[in-house]
Amino acid sequence: AQSVAQPEDQVNVAEGNPLTVKCTYSVSGNPYLFWYVQYPNRGLQFLLKYITGDNLVKGSYGFEAEFNKSQTSFHLKKPSALVSDSALYFCAVRDANQAGTALIFGKGTTLSVSS
Amino acid sequence: DSGVTQTPKHLITATGQRVTLRCSPRSGDLSVYWYQQSLDQGLQFLIQYYNGEERAKGNILERFSAQQFPDLHSELNLSSLELGDSALYFCASSETGATNEKLFFGSGTQLSVL
Repeated sequence: AQSVAQPEDQVNVAEGNPLTVKCTYSVSGNPYLFWYVQYPNRGLQFLLKYITGDNLVKGSYGFEAEFNKSQTSFHLKKPSALVSDSALYFCAVRDANQAGTALIFGKGTTLSVSS
Repeated sequence: DSGVTQTPKHLITATGQRVTLRCSPRSGDLSVYWYQQSLDQGLQFLIQYYNGEERAKGNILERFSAQQFPDLHSELNLSSLELGDSALYFCASSETGATNEKLFFGSGTQLSVL
């Protein structure tokens, strides 16, 4: 079975500082990994994904994520946070080797960026 | 705008009732997914359809059912509603349902069971 853990319910950073939102995963095969963001009263929006290749993935709005196979992690990062980055962030995993499996989400991490 | 349309946006009903949530996927997308979001459970996968056929099933209760029609829109039917069914229900779509595709989410239907 596949699962995702986001160990922090909330991350607080000051505007201009770097941010990291943590994610670890578990799958039996190779992982496809995703990050999504949810703003209040909105659906989830895709940020980036790791399928294969370079472990550092760049996505929307200046976000990037680093895939670490040995640590089974896929942390989301941004060099300089903006107040507008404040939102709920979800990490998700799908087993690349199993058709018929769905995208499984973590419980989400609320990012709060203060000015 | 993701291109995924969900109706209604809000639904208030009573325990024991039955409701139907509707989803129109992005133009050209063949696969539809349903998720339930609640404060205690987070975002839970319910079910996936591809071109009218069920492809994957998650933690969907027996009181819930779904289908995807020939025009690719999907409906999620919730019956014998309980207070605990109150949640935000999301529909998402993707082009083929392949495991490496990103999903496009609708804005959700907020269900309140009183």
